Amino acid sequence: DTEVTQTPKHLVMGMTNKKSLKCEQHMGHRAMYWYKQKAKKPPELMFVYSYEKLSINESVPSRFSPECPNSSLLNLHLHALQPEDSALYLCASSHGDRLTEAFFGQGTRLTVV
Amino acid sequence: DAKTTQPPSMDCAEGRAANLPCNHSTISGNEYVYWYRQIHSQGPQYIIHGLKNNETNEMASLIITEDRKSSTLILPHATLRDTAVYYCIVERNNQGGKLIFGQGTELSVKP
Repeated sequence: DTEVTQTPKHLVMGMTNKKSLKCEQHMGHRAMYWYKQKAKKPPELMFVYSYEKLSINESVPSRFSPECPNSSLLNLHLHALQPEDSALYLCASSHGDRLTEAFFGQGTRLTVV
Repeated sequence: DAKTTQPPSMDCAEGRAANLPCNHSTISGNEYVYWYRQIHSQGPQYIIHGLKNNETNEMASLIITEDRKSSTLILPHATLRDTAVYYCIVERNNQGGKLIFGQGTELSVKP
């Protein structure tokens, strides 16, 4: 199994809502990532988890809250988002000790209304 | 500051080789060159990586200059399905590294 599965595929939420994005992999990878991608732009790194611990936070606003409950699962909790947070949110995973080959999910298309 | 420089767009005829250049003049000795691509509306896909030797796999070849300041990704027989944005990334291959995407090259393969 070489897949990174993201759910839901699409999400529409209001600015006062709380929602969560989910990412799952069963490749035994110990590094997991969240990226944000706006239209026609490259993916922007948000968070990196290494061995279930948050190792990199790229100065992301606190309305985005990551969580890594176990080595296979990564969540992104969303609260009080703004319309400009609408984007494709991508999850990726790789071996914990190296970046060699990162696998990406298909993303969650988020629209904030 | 961006670690890599790529042309914003390129065209290639179907069946011909696509040669995608990347400049990384400030690369450090322990940094690798990675290539990923992103087909429209999909997540990025790993293609190949290398340190200083040329590399080949079933998808592509990676040619790195001797001074390591530039590299070229070669798709030997481009197909329409190779139309995508190609990203060249320079980074350490260890736990502290992180994949930072630059602007990439939008490759259009035409019939």
